[in-house]
Amino acid sequence: EPEVTQTPSHQVTQMGQEVILRCVPISNHLYFYWYRQILGQKVEFLVSFYNNEISEKSEIFDDQFSVERPDGSNFTLKIRSTKLEDSAMYFCASSGLATDTQYFGPGTRLTVL
Amino acid sequence: SQKIEQNSEALNIQEGKTATLTCNYTNYSPAYLQWYRQDPGRGPVFLLLIRENEKEKRKERLKVTFDTTLKQSLFHITASQPADSATYLCALQMDSSYKLIFGSGTRLLVRP
Repeated sequence: EPEVTQTPSHQVTQMGQEVILRCVPISNHLYFYWYRQILGQKVEFLVSFYNNEISEKSEIFDDQFSVERPDGSNFTLKIRSTKLEDSAMYFCASSGLATDTQYFGPGTRLTVL
Repeated sequence: SQKIEQNSEALNIQEGKTATLTCNYTNYSPAYLQWYRQDPGRGPVFLLLIRENEKEKRKERLKVTFDTTLKQSLFHITASQPADSATYLCALQMDSSYKLIFGSGTRLLVRP
């Protein structure tokens, strides 16, 4: 069964460094998403992406964040200058339609020291 | 803004019993309501989706109901098994929005 994959599974970085989290969505899906989950808290929406542009973003998704689909298969989340409070699990998701089920990847655990 | 509450942080039941989890929301009815399972350190796994105009959906041992008058969804696992032990998340999607709004989840423990 097709699934969303994410790399790396765990990323450790120093505060102020840039990180790029990578995702390969399900191949025929058109809508892509990033969510995050701080330890012990809810899963929170960050951004959705369709047709090579951001379709919706949350207040969390400020100028430090950016997303890109550099080729036909990858979808990336970049955090320009990481802060301690960016430490969380970051989940990529994809769906065939905007109103379809969103399928989640296994997540990248980001630890900012 | 839309708020979601899931009935309890944890639910502890005996194997073979039916687990019933509750999701309540405020304000407007969502277009879609979804239930996910999450194991520790893993991503949410989709279980069931129910639309605003649907009352009930079933899949194997799972059943979800949606009552827009009560602003509530119930999620049932019948003949529960220890392997069903996990956190169950309720998520709403409003019309004309792409995002899922998640509840904080209910941790289910099924004792053998």
